[in-house]
Amino acid sequence: GDSVTQTEGPVTLSEGTSLTVNCSYETKQYPTLFWYVQYPGEGPQLLFKVPKANEKGSNRGFEATYNKEATSFHLQKASVQESDSAVYYCAQNYGSSGNKLIFGIGTLLSVKP
Amino acid sequence: EAAVTQSPRNKVAVTGGKVTLSCNQTNNHNNMYWYRQDTGHGLRLIHYSYGAGSTEKGDIPDGYKASRPSQENFSLILELATPSQTSVYFCASGDAGSNTEVFFGKGTRLTVV
Repeated sequence: GDSVTQTEGPVTLSEGTSLTVNCSYETKQYPTLFWYVQYPGEGPQLLFKVPKANEKGSNRGFEATYNKEATSFHLQKASVQESDSAVYYCAQNYGSSGNKLIFGIGTLLSVKP
Repeated sequence: EAAVTQSPRNKVAVTGGKVTLSCNQTNNHNNMYWYRQDTGHGLRLIHYSYGAGSTEKGDIPDGYKASRPSQENFSLILELATPSQTSVYFCASGDAGSNTEVFFGKGTRLTVV
């Protein structure tokens, strides 16, 4: 069945260092891939999405490339800031109409000043 | 701006009691969703709806019912609450269409004692 696997946290980094959160997906379909971010006390919100294979999505310095061959969608940022501290969820859409989302377990990122 | 409002934000319930979680959206979205969030599991889909009067089972529907009396409102009902249903519940809404973003509320923290 459809599934999403991502880096287990927590991940602790110092400001200015680089981030990679691994995400792999499993499906028989051609999904749209998403990264959501959740700040404390809030619901998840879309960071960006990529509907097509071999394309890159980006927002706020974060980026990820939809790699169909490797079934991966790794989140990267060259230089993290303290304000990036949050939980990051990788997700894909699924179901006959593609209207549902399946999420990974989430990766808690803490950035120290 | 998209708005999904959940009530209550916090709830303590007794085992065997009935619990109703409410959700209202002002986005005029056709689709609405209920997820629960647990450490080690991420976000899991309980029930969803494609419009007023419709509800569908998600991936973990056992022990839950849903009701969609109008475009704006979507409720999650626990007829006989159990401690295993202690969790944070998120409501979300989204347009019809397979690539669309979903918008989440701030969540309801439910504790069943």
